[in-house]
Amino acid sequence: NAGVTQTPKFQVLKTGQSMTLQCAQDMNHEYMSWYRQDPGMGLRLIHYSVGAGITDQGEVPNGYNVSRSTTEDFPLRLLSAAPSQTSVYFCASNPDIERGTQYFGPGTRLLVL
Amino acid sequence: EDQVTQSPEALRLQEGESSSLNCSYTVSGLRGLFWYRQDPGKGPEFLFTLYSAGEEKEKERLKATLTKKESFLHITAPKPEDSATYLCAVRRGQNFVFGPGTRLSVLP
Repeated sequence: NAGVTQTPKFQVLKTGQSMTLQCAQDMNHEYMSWYRQDPGMGLRLIHYSVGAGITDQGEVPNGYNVSRSTTEDFPLRLLSAAPSQTSVYFCASNPDIERGTQYFGPGTRLLVL
Repeated sequence: EDQVTQSPEALRLQEGESSSLNCSYTVSGLRGLFWYRQDPGKGPEFLFTLYSAGEEKEKERLKATLTKKESFLHITAPKPEDSATYLCAVRRGQNFVFGPGTRLSVLP
C-alpha cells in the first residue's frame, strides 16, 4: 500500500491563480480530510468527507473547494490564491472516526506571492 | 468553544532525562483524545487514543495518560530519535481539533 499520497510536494503561485492539490489513498478509507498547518497555530481543518459524494466544511473553508467522486481521491481546489493561503497542506484518511487513527500524507508546501 | 492547548511550546532534554508534555482541552462530551508525532517536513504519525479519565497507553518510552481536563505524554529516558513535535487532538463531532504542538529536542 502506498498509503496517502499528495501532489505536488511544493508549489509557487501568484495571487489570483487557481490550482488543485491532489490527494489519494489506497486503503479504502471512507473518511478523508484536508488540513493546513501554520507556525504556532497547529493543524486547522479545511474540509472533510465521510464518504464518496459527501463533503462538509471544517474550521477554515473560505477560499477552498473540495469534491469526493471516488473513495480514493479527495482533491482540494484553491479558487483564487491569496498570500494568506501560504501554508503547508496535509491530507489525511481515517478508517474509523471513533478511533481517531488518521493517516497523513507527506504534505504540499504552497507559497503564494 | 472547543479548544486544545499544549505546553510547553518547546522542550530541550538531555538524553535519559525524563519529562512530561501537557495537553489541556475544553470540549463538551469528549469522544477521544489523540496523540501524534510529527517529524520535520513530514505528516503527523498517530501514536495513541484515550477515551476516558484514568486511561493509560504505552509505547516504548512513551506513556499517555488522561484526566477530565488534560492529558500528559510522559517520556521516560528519551533518546535523540524521540526528537519531534508532539501534537494532541480531540474529536469534535465528525472532525478533530488539534493543539499547536510541543517541539521536543533530545540532546545526546
